[in-house]
Amino acid sequence: AQTVTQSQPEMSVQEAETVTLSCTYDTSENNYYLFWYKQPPSRQMILVIRQEAYKQQNATENRFSVNFQKAAKSFSLKISDSQLGDTAMYFCAFRSTGANNLFFGTGTRLTVIP
Amino acid sequence: DTGVSQDPRHKITKRGQNVTFRCDPISEHNRLYWYRQTLGQGPEFLTYFQNEAQLEKSRLLSDRFSAERPKGSFSTLEIQRTEQGDSAMYLCASSANSGGAGSKNIQYFGAGTRLSVL
Repeated sequence: AQTVTQSQPEMSVQEAETVTLSCTYDTSENNYYLFWYKQPPSRQMILVIRQEAYKQQNATENRFSVNFQKAAKSFSLKISDSQLGDTAMYFCAFRSTGANNLFFGTGTRLTVIP
Repeated sequence: DTGVSQDPRHKITKRGQNVTFRCDPISEHNRLYWYRQTLGQGPEFLTYFQNEAQLEKSRLLSDRFSAERPKGSFSTLEIQRTEQGDSAMYLCASSANSGGAGSKNIQYFGAGTRLSVL
């Protein structure tokens, strides 16, 4: 079974600084997809960034980038130039190729301090 | 396109009562998912529909839970004889059909229904 581990329950960062959120996962599969979702307080979860395991290049989306280390089964999220609107719970998620459901970690609560 | 809509946003019920939640997916999406999220945890998969067919159910979906998607559009999740352990956020997500569970199968989530069982 797949498991996703986020070892940082809470983190904080000064506005405009950079922060990295950690995620590790366990799978015996070679092809899969990894995601970071953001869940602001009392609002719906939105996709921040995704990575296909067969792609070696790390995904980037504006201020958000990932460090995907397939051998280490690590998938960290870097947020550059942090903004107050980045304050949220961040969930790392895994989906097998051919599967329909996502496996989520327990989340990291990020607070951006003005 | 207003995204995935869930109703109600909050539901308070007494133990033993039945409750029903509704999810309206993004209009062109034919795949629909239900997840449950308890406090301090990430969402856990409950069930999946492709069009009106319920193709996958988690073992978390006990026999008190039933989900339907009768016309392949909106879906309902009913919990019978609610228990305090059912208190959670129930999330619905939808995705487009990419011809398989491929990389385009990105799931878009609704804001959820928060259930409190007293």
